[in-house]
Amino acid sequence: DTGVSQDPRHKITKRGQNVTFRCDPISEHNRLYWYRQTLGQGPEFLTYFQNEAQLEKSRLLSDRFSAERPKGSFSTLEIQRTEQGDSAMYLCASAAGAGDTQYFGPGTRLTVL
Amino acid sequence: GIQVEQSPPDLILQEGANSTLRCNFSDSVNNLQWFHQNPWGQLINLFYIPSGTKQNGRLSATTVATERYSLLYISSSQTTDSGVYFCAVGPYGNNRLAFGKGNQVVVIP
Repeated sequence: DTGVSQDPRHKITKRGQNVTFRCDPISEHNRLYWYRQTLGQGPEFLTYFQNEAQLEKSRLLSDRFSAERPKGSFSTLEIQRTEQGDSAMYLCASAAGAGDTQYFGPGTRLTVL
Repeated sequence: GIQVEQSPPDLILQEGANSTLRCNFSDSVNNLQWFHQNPWGQLINLFYIPSGTKQNGRLSATTVATERYSLLYISSSQTTDSGVYFCAVGPYGNNRLAFGKGNQVVVIP
């Protein structure tokens, strides 16, 4: 296994712009999770997929956020009309099944100016 | 939702000392993981331990599920052990992990 990968690692954008992040899970992991971490806090759950189906979304995921996993492999997280409060580390994790170990990627650090 | 409390929030250790980090949680879980977050922000898996005891080198962990707590032991600490340790739990019937606020550990030479 090559581990979970995320791209880009860093993103600086201006307020109001749209950004998209990508996550490639460990191959054959059917569960994929997105979390967000702000400074000094633990990660907070955003959403999760089982294969291509998005099965759960947190209330943190406003209507400016959308996530997809079109073929049950990689996933994208898009933020529209970014705000300064969106500045955070966005983490992706994958797992083989419910209750199994979640493995995290290196994260995408977003800075909104 | 489930509550996760980690203690102590901050810990300063002399190199070579031993320490214990504690994680209390408010509901039954079928997943409990300990992570070390490196300076670049990546979460490194230390243990998957919803119950029982495991050891990996100088680190060991114990989870007492019936009493809803887990302990992470660091023995003979080294400066490379510095960083933030997170406990995360997955409640039954729920796929998300809920994280504590972390233990900030600083090991001084």
